[in-house]
Amino acid sequence: SAVISQKPSRDICQRGTSLTIQCQVDSQVTMMFWYRQQPGQSLTLIATANQGSEATYESGFVIDKFPISRPNLTFSTLTVSNMSPEDSSIYLCSVIPGQNTGELFFGEGSRLTVL
Amino acid sequence: LAKTTQPISMDSYEGQEVNITCSHNNIATNDYITWYQQFPSQGPRFIIQGYKTKVTNEVASLFIPADRKSSTLSLPRVSLSDTAVYYCLVAGNTGGFKTIFGAGTRLFVKA
Repeated sequence: SAVISQKPSRDICQRGTSLTIQCQVDSQVTMMFWYRQQPGQSLTLIATANQGSEATYESGFVIDKFPISRPNLTFSTLTVSNMSPEDSSIYLCSVIPGQNTGELFFGEGSRLTVL
Repeated sequence: LAKTTQPISMDSYEGQEVNITCSHNNIATNDYITWYQQFPSQGPRFIIQGYKTKVTNEVASLFIPADRKSSTLSLPRVSLSDTAVYYCLVAGNTGGFKTIFGAGTRLFVKA
């Protein structure tokens, strides 16, 4: 299993600003992902955070808007850049502690509101 | 990546057994089937996982037919606290375990 801590848990931001979300895991994990969940919707995969290299982004998400860092196997950050109200969402960090079956563990999420 | 299809919503009453079926017609050989539960304002939580046949844990059972093109999550004797969204997912190491979420099933348990 894995325990995931995300910071901040929630924030209210002004349009045009940027916010960095941190994800800390209590153990080393190979696979780490960032998801977005808009109100009343399912989760959308933003990117796979790769340790020591550039993240792999899903269609519709770009590095300039959502830069991701993964300096080691226990930590990652996601920045939401130049925010607009459409970026208001919950951002979730998830990991797969073991590689055999792909069971995902999630943090509690970071709820962003952009005014 | 295998796409999943589930009912959008289901209603039940306390004490009943609830079965939620998911179809995944293009599941790959090395894909596992995993179900997650999500409450409002929380991240999804693992419920159960299987590859084939039947799997049971303290929370639920998972039934997978031989062709693996569908699966059924069974929740015995649901309570009000089981009201949540349930996601069926398939993923395997061929895709780097990259997991794409479908719409999920919103289960409402009534008193």
